Amino acid sequence: NAGVIQTPRHKVTGKGQEATLWCEPISGHSAVFWYRQTIVQGLEFLTYFRNQAPIDDSGMPKERFSAQMPNQSHSTLKIQSTQPQDSAVYLCASSLSSQNTLYFGAGTRLSVL
Amino acid sequence: GEQVEQLPSILRVQEGSSASINCSYEDSASNYFPWYKQEPGENPKLIIDIRSNMERKQIQELIVLLDKKAKRFSLHITDTQPGDSAMYFCAASQGGTGNYKYVFGAGTRLKVIA
Repeated sequence: NAGVIQTPRHKVTGKGQEATLWCEPISGHSAVFWYRQTIVQGLEFLTYFRNQAPIDDSGMPKERFSAQMPNQSHSTLKIQSTQPQDSAVYLCASSLSSQNTLYFGAGTRLSVL
Repeated sequence: GEQVEQLPSILRVQEGSSASINCSYEDSASNYFPWYKQEPGENPKLIIDIRSNMERKQIQELIVLLDKKAKRFSLHITDTQPGDSAMYFCAASQGGTGNYKYVFGAGTRLKVIA
């Protein structure tokens, strides 16, 4: 079991460019979460899928952020027209079912210059 | 939506003493409260959790207490060791509506001084 896999580990983009972050949850896990971690805001909820269906995207900045889960083996978080304030570590997590242990990936550190 | 407040943000304790971190939540429907430890450069990992049908849970040196009436829960680390130095996050989750998202506190940076 390789755990939750996130790629890339580091991404540097210029202001206004697009960034796509990938997450492969643990096989068999039905829930997938995306969080953004910064020193100031801590662990900020972005969005959550269960059995590939979007359940809650209340944490997603509406205009430039989108998340997909086209199949049970991966999810993507896309940020269009990146801004310096988007710089953060983006963490993906999965759990076997509802209210079970969240297993976090190593994260993608996004730096927007 | 749910909000979780976590205090203190920074905690320094002497090795061998106890450390306590307190969290409060707003939504009385929250019924699951996990605690995560994050070491530098690592991802957060679950260390202990408590569900709303319990008031106290202990795993070795970790004790969690839950006061549903006050909507507060806390983590107590007894006999702290330098290896306990890390960021700690509390979280709350509720599933009554089928939405099991976890809302995290802002984190506590614990430093155990030898």
